[in-house]
Amino acid sequence: AIRMTQSPSSFSASTGDRVTITCRASQGVRTNLAWYQQKPGKAPKLLIYGASTLQSGVPSRFSGSGSGTDFTLTISYLQSEDFATYYCQQYYIYPLAFGGGTKVEIK
Amino acid sequence: EVKLVESGGGLVQPGGSLRLSCAAAGFSFSSYWMSWVRQAPGKGLEWVANIMQDGREKYYGDSVKGRFTISRDNARNSLYLQMNSLRADDTAVYYCARDSGGDLEYFHLWGQGTLVTVSP
Repeated sequence: AIRMTQSPSSFSASTGDRVTITCRASQGVRTNLAWYQQKPGKAPKLLIYGASTLQSGVPSRFSGSGSGTDFTLTISYLQSEDFATYYCQQYYIYPLAFGGGTKVEIK
Repeated sequence: EVKLVESGGGLVQPGGSLRLSCAAAGFSFSSYWMSWVRQAPGKGLEWVANIMQDGREKYYGDSVKGRFTISRDNARNSLYLQMNSLRADDTAVYYCARDSGGDLEYFHLWGQGTLVTVSP
């Protein structure tokens, strides 16, 4: 099974910061990688699929890059509503797998 | 309105069984792969199982294989998860999720979740 590892697991940032979250797959997944945002008590929300394609309605300050085993999610200008937990997910091969999550907290 | 609504969660003893349901509305249910994803309290997301549009193909996560069964009834626009031999580590919020529609298994649409608690 493919293991997805996110880093860091949590960090603090300020509104206006540029932040980058990393996701590494234990074996190549091509660009079959999605990113989700989850707020407390809510279901996850799809942000990016195909490693870099922005889901309709998601602000353009979110971007994704990478292929193979190494991926990044970047928020170019952190807004108050972006404080949440972010998950990557590979859909290249079964079993589907999520990363452990990265919690972005207010500094 | 496009939505998924889970039901059937609750408190069950270790070794017991529970059946979750997910009612779909506002889209052509029979056109999509459907999944169950769970989240233990304070933990991350874990994919549980999915099922093809017509039910012919099903896949399971290693931790539930042999204990859980996913099924669907397209006439009722409903997805199910039969959970047997439940353990304490099955305690989680269980989400129903719809795939992208292109047979690529990332999730466009999620329900609000239903809580399953396995405890004596």
